[in-house]
Amino acid sequence: DTGVSQDPRHKITKRGQNVTFRCDPISEHNRLYWYRQTLGQGPEFLTYFQNEAQLEKSRLLSDRFSAERPKGSFSTLEIQRTEQGDSAMYLCADQGGADYGYTFGSGTRLTVV
Amino acid sequence: GQNIDQPTEMTATEGAIVQINCTYQTSGFNGLFWYQQHAGEAPTFLSYNVLDGLEEKGRFSSFLSRSKGYSYLLLKELQMKDSASYLCAAPHGSSNTGKLIFGQGTTLQVKP
Repeated sequence: DTGVSQDPRHKITKRGQNVTFRCDPISEHNRLYWYRQTLGQGPEFLTYFQNEAQLEKSRLLSDRFSAERPKGSFSTLEIQRTEQGDSAMYLCADQGGADYGYTFGSGTRLTVV
Repeated sequence: GQNIDQPTEMTATEGAIVQINCTYQTSGFNGLFWYQQHAGEAPTFLSYNVLDGLEEKGRFSSFLSRSKGYSYLLLKELQMKDSASYLCAAPHGSSNTGKLIFGQGTTLQVKP
């Protein structure tokens, strides 16, 4: 268990392109969360998984966003037809303890130009 | 609804003590978290309070008053490396989803 890994660390894409981010959580942790953070703001919840089941999606997650967690291990977050407003840091976190403590990944910083 | 408020910015001097306040309104209560986030990095867990009172962890302490919907993070013997954003967060509602609502963060600048 070396922590939560996210790939890539940075992504610059042209408006209208599709992008996909990957998150590899700490093994054996059941819950995995995706958050989005813009400059000067706290993270905002996007969606979460309990094992492979996606149990909740925020209203922030438009139909251009889709997330998966096949086999309850790694997760992917895809954004289709990116817009400049999608530029943000996308954070993945897993929850291992009963005290709800999160372990965040290093994040993927997306810039849409 | 749920809301978390904290000051946007604070400045303090190296070696001093600083208190970062957080007020919250939540439907149900399942604890209050503090995270530290250095610029360009992911948040890291600092503390979790579920009962009233002060919990101390080295130079950092966190206080909670459930009746007042109030918490603070106390940083003692400030070091330059403590310059960061400090995020207050609370679990959303009373359901056991683990989803957190974050405040906007307080950017602390420690000066020599």
